[in-house]
Amino acid sequence: DQQVKQNSPSLSVQEGRISILNCDYTNSMFDYFLWYKKYPAEGPTFLISISSIKDKNEDGRFTVFLNKSAKHLSLHIVPSQPGDSAVYFCAASRSGANNLFFGTGTRLTVIP
Amino acid sequence: DTEVTQTPKHLVMGMTNKKSLKCEQHMGHRAMYWYKQKAKKPPELMFVYSYEKLSINESVPSRFSPECPNSSLLNLHLHALQPEDSALYLCASSPDKGLAGNTIYFGEGSWLTVV
Repeated sequence: DQQVKQNSPSLSVQEGRISILNCDYTNSMFDYFLWYKKYPAEGPTFLISISSIKDKNEDGRFTVFLNKSAKHLSLHIVPSQPGDSAVYFCAASRSGANNLFFGTGTRLTVIP
Repeated sequence: DTEVTQTPKHLVMGMTNKKSLKCEQHMGHRAMYWYKQKAKKPPELMFVYSYEKLSINESVPSRFSPECPNSSLLNLHLHALQPEDSALYLCASSPDKGLAGNTIYFGEGSWLTVV
């Protein structure tokens, strides 16, 4: 049973525009959410995270929004750059546990 | 420094071979993980070590045998693997398991091909 879902397998965006990647989860016990970026043949690189006590966290061009009532989070990248082209995984965890539950990933392509 | 180092980067082994994957971190993290990732799929947890003790084994076949010699090192011993075990094997570490806000950092992975 997939507890974290990324319903868009791919997304294409023009350079300089905003990229919005979406993620939904079903387990209300999750209280920490992360985004990872993955290039081919490399391990996932941690990008940004958010605790359930917040609804927004910003780091440079990356902002993550959390809507707990909708069990939804999103990653905004603005402005998008060609080097952002990669697969983005959303992940969730809960206090007291030590596993990350990953979504299936969204492949972002930023077109120059 | 958020570096997790894995060796080898690529490994090709026969089904009767015995080989090992190695992982090292010097961030003082007390939890270390092995994940397996197949193409176009998310990473799947295999094992978790916490304070050098195995705390989770996600029903992994015994042909995969983890070992944690000390808090900085994690090995994965491989024996009698099958071709379907070919995948990217990811090592990861985190400051402590189970804490809220526990970020897991991944290595670059070891590409394993079983022939």
